[in-house]
Amino acid sequence: GQSLEQPSEVTAVEGAIVQINCTYQTSGFYGLSWYQQHDGGAPTFLSYNALDGLEETGRFSSFLSRSDSYGYLLLQELQMKDSASYFCAVNTGGFKTIFGAGTRLFVKA
Amino acid sequence: EAQVTQNPRYLITVTGKKLTVTCSQNMNHEYMSWYRQDPGLGLRQIYYSMNVEVTDKGDVPEGYKVSRKEKRNFPLILESPSPNQTSLYFCASSPDRGARGTEAFFGQGTRLTVV
Repeated sequence: GQSLEQPSEVTAVEGAIVQINCTYQTSGFYGLSWYQQHDGGAPTFLSYNALDGLEETGRFSSFLSRSDSYGYLLLQELQMKDSASYFCAVNTGGFKTIFGAGTRLFVKA
Repeated sequence: EAQVTQNPRYLITVTGKKLTVTCSQNMNHEYMSWYRQDPGLGLRQIYYSMNVEVTDKGDVPEGYKVSRKEKRNFPLILESPSPNQTSLYFCASSPDRGARGTEAFFGQGTRLTVV
């Protein structure tokens, strides 16, 4: 079957750097996306990788290794407002998308 | 303001009573999709549409119907809801993939309870 694996929870302190990993096993692969979701809110798009390497957007970076079926989201200079759930998602073809179960990030003061 | 609008935000209904959750986007996006979100399972795609009159099943389509008669609207229909369809539902739209890949814009969500 198809699956995306990511840690269920991560805790870090304000100002630190945290990495959230995602490994995937899917029948097709067109790209890896990352979304952030605060409690009670809707998912919001953070980044997308179709090719191997690092994509940087402000404090957030995302990495992809297609040969390893692996990616990660890197959050730098953590702020309290970064406490949220983070989801990786794979586009397996057309607009068919599979999401991971999500990683809950707790940022402590 | 660019947005995806779902209605209603909250709904409690009884088993077997047909219901429709509406979704509308004002960004002229080609792609639209419905997801359900359950604790510990993340988001699971129900149906998606790549354009008017073009729809396809996602991972969990059983018990749901959709239609795409206009580009902006993508309603989700539950013909005979059951308690296992109690969930948080999100509609999303996305422009043609291009360089932004599958950047999806999500609606505010609809919390459905079937008793």
